[in-house]
Amino acid sequence: DAKTTQPPSMDCAEGRAANLPCNHSTISGNEYVYWYRQIHSQGPQYIIHGLKNNETNEMASLIITEDRKSSTLILPHATLRDTAVYYCIVRFHGSGNTGKLIFGQGTTLQVKP
Amino acid sequence: SQTIHQWPATLVQPVGSPLSLECTVEGTSNPNLYWYRQAAGRGLQLLFYSVGIGQISSEVPQNLSASRPQDRQFILSSKKLLLSDSGFYLCAWKSGRVNTGELFFGEGSRLTVL
Repeated sequence: DAKTTQPPSMDCAEGRAANLPCNHSTISGNEYVYWYRQIHSQGPQYIIHGLKNNETNEMASLIITEDRKSSTLILPHATLRDTAVYYCIVRFHGSGNTGKLIFGQGTTLQVKP
Repeated sequence: SQTIHQWPATLVQPVGSPLSLECTVEGTSNPNLYWYRQAAGRGLQLLFYSVGIGQISSEVPQNLSASRPQDRQFILSSKKLLLSDSGFYLCAWKSGRVNTGELFFGEGSRLTVL
């Protein structure tokens, strides 16, 4: 699976959009971009994933650049409960894949009142 | 609906004692199962994964072992704990039927080795 690079930490004001960047310049054609978050002392929680088109669900939006070398997770109206470590992960989806996720260090997002 | 249970939630063990952490999944069949560990202040490290009964793959050399005696049961064990085994252990599952799909994590087991 391709490696990802994320800033170690970011701050965001409550009610504003949080934009979390991720670089994955070595991504291959059958690798998806996944985002998870981990609130302190809990298990990681799935947020969203995509291949090449932008995706949106009730939690967030995922914007993937046309060359797929980077992506941005957008939390449109951040709340204090969104304070967490956010992980960007690239995962192979071809035959024989085991579904395992390899986590990096992630971005610690601090939402401030 | 599918659920995942881990226990115990917290335990304190002396160095050299054995360990058994258990994870069960309900509401699905033939899941892929995973054990992760998170040491204090560190990221999540994949320890083991299993795609079927009796099939265990180890990701890193260590003092721990895993077993899958039943389809929806995944056990993490050690014969003799080390101080470095302390951490937050997470079990996760994924549908084994599709290549896509998210991992669902349990609530975790926090182990302190003294």
